[in-house]
Amino acid sequence: GDSVTQMEGPVTLSEEAFLTINCTYTATGYPSLFWYVQYPGEGLQLLLKATKADDKGSNKGFEATYRKETTSFHLEKGSVQVSDSAVYFCALSEVQGAQKLVFGQGTRLTINP
Amino acid sequence: KAGVTQTPRYLIKTRGQQVTLSCSPISGHRSVSWYQQTPGQGLQFLFEYFSETQRNKGNFPGRFSGRQFSNSRSEMNVSTLELGDSALYLCASSELAGGPYEQYFGPGTRLTVT
Repeated sequence: GDSVTQMEGPVTLSEEAFLTINCTYTATGYPSLFWYVQYPGEGLQLLLKATKADDKGSNKGFEATYRKETTSFHLEKGSVQVSDSAVYFCALSEVQGAQKLVFGQGTRLTINP
Repeated sequence: KAGVTQTPRYLIKTRGQQVTLSCSPISGHRSVSWYQQTPGQGLQFLFEYFSETQRNKGNFPGRFSGRQFSNSRSEMNVSTLELGDSALYLCASSELAGGPYEQYFGPGTRLTVT
């Protein structure tokens, strides 16, 4: 079945560092891809999405590009802030027929001032 | 618009009991999905409802069930609770079904089974 693999965490960076969180997927067909963020004690918030190959999703300085050839959707940010500390989840959704999201295991990110 | 609300936020139950969790979607949203989040298994899809009909179901035992009302509010029920059912249960709503449409998540209900 479909699956998502994220880089192992936790990840600890200093403020203003460059961030990359790797995400690769296995899917039949052409899924839509998402990054969600979960702050402590809260539910998930959609950070960005891409629905077809070569699409770039972006939001709040975060970016990810849908790479069909490498089945990847890596999350990047040029300069992280303490407020970016959270757990980040990569997810995919089948193209048709379901709202079912398949999530990666999550990557805990801590930014130190 | 108000976001997705889930009640209760925290719940403690004893093994063997049953529990009902409630989810109110964003106004105008007709699709509601449920997910279970545990440290060991991560986030797993439970089921999706649209117009009071279950459209999809994840790989969970029959002890997990749900329903949706005509106002799109949804409930999920877990019978004969087991220790392994301790988890954060998240509800998500979207305008339509048949995906993928953007899903908006509630804060979750933290269930502890003792």
